Amino acid sequence: DSGVTQTPKHLITATGQRVTLRCSPRSGDLSVYWYQQSLDQGLQFLIQYYNGEERAKGNILERFSAQQFPDLHSELNLSSLELGDSALYFCASSVRTARTDTQYFGPGTRLTVL
Amino acid sequence: DAKTTQPTSMDCAEGRAANLPCNHSTISGNEYVYWYRQIHSQGPQYIIHGLKNNETNEMASLIITEDRKSSTLILPHATLRDTAVYYCIVRVPYTGTASKLTFGTGTRLQVTL
Repeated sequence: DSGVTQTPKHLITATGQRVTLRCSPRSGDLSVYWYQQSLDQGLQFLIQYYNGEERAKGNILERFSAQQFPDLHSELNLSSLELGDSALYFCASSVRTARTDTQYFGPGTRLTVL
Repeated sequence: DAKTTQPTSMDCAEGRAANLPCNHSTISGNEYVYWYRQIHSQGPQYIIHGLKNNETNEMASLIITEDRKSSTLILPHATLRDTAVYYCIVRVPYTGTASKLTFGTGTRLQVTL
């Protein structure tokens, strides 16, 4: 158990719909990262937040958005869903030290778009 | 971040040591070598990381060559539960901005009886 929690575990929805994925980081971790894993693309970085502020963007579509709240939990919002958005979505968190900022991953949310 | 090259797949008998190689010939002086693994669609699991000295923890050992162009992850006594995809990632731990992990295709390790 990494200490990172994600809800829900599974989500099934239809094309055109909007969903919200939730992530609670490990206690004390200020950084949250979102990754997408699809069959044909592998694990891809989407976005990073640090203490409520966006820090880096990866291959995140404009239909997707995220935020990190004052209690440090984060939400990933996916809208106008398409079949190709079906994937595993992972959240990770990290705390920076002088030597490293190892990321610890949650169990993921499996999104199926029908 | 430097690119890495790993074998696509490897087999290992249960109880034997699993040695997973990684080539990172373009690694920079301030880049660390990280290893993660992913067991069947679970979240990636951190294993170990190092800069230039060999490292050992309760899960594995990491051997980095003196020129730092390659490394080997060693699972000393592999079990069936070690069957997973193992990712070798080379990165600067913290740049102040982007701190992402770039995953390649990894090595699929199959541990057999």
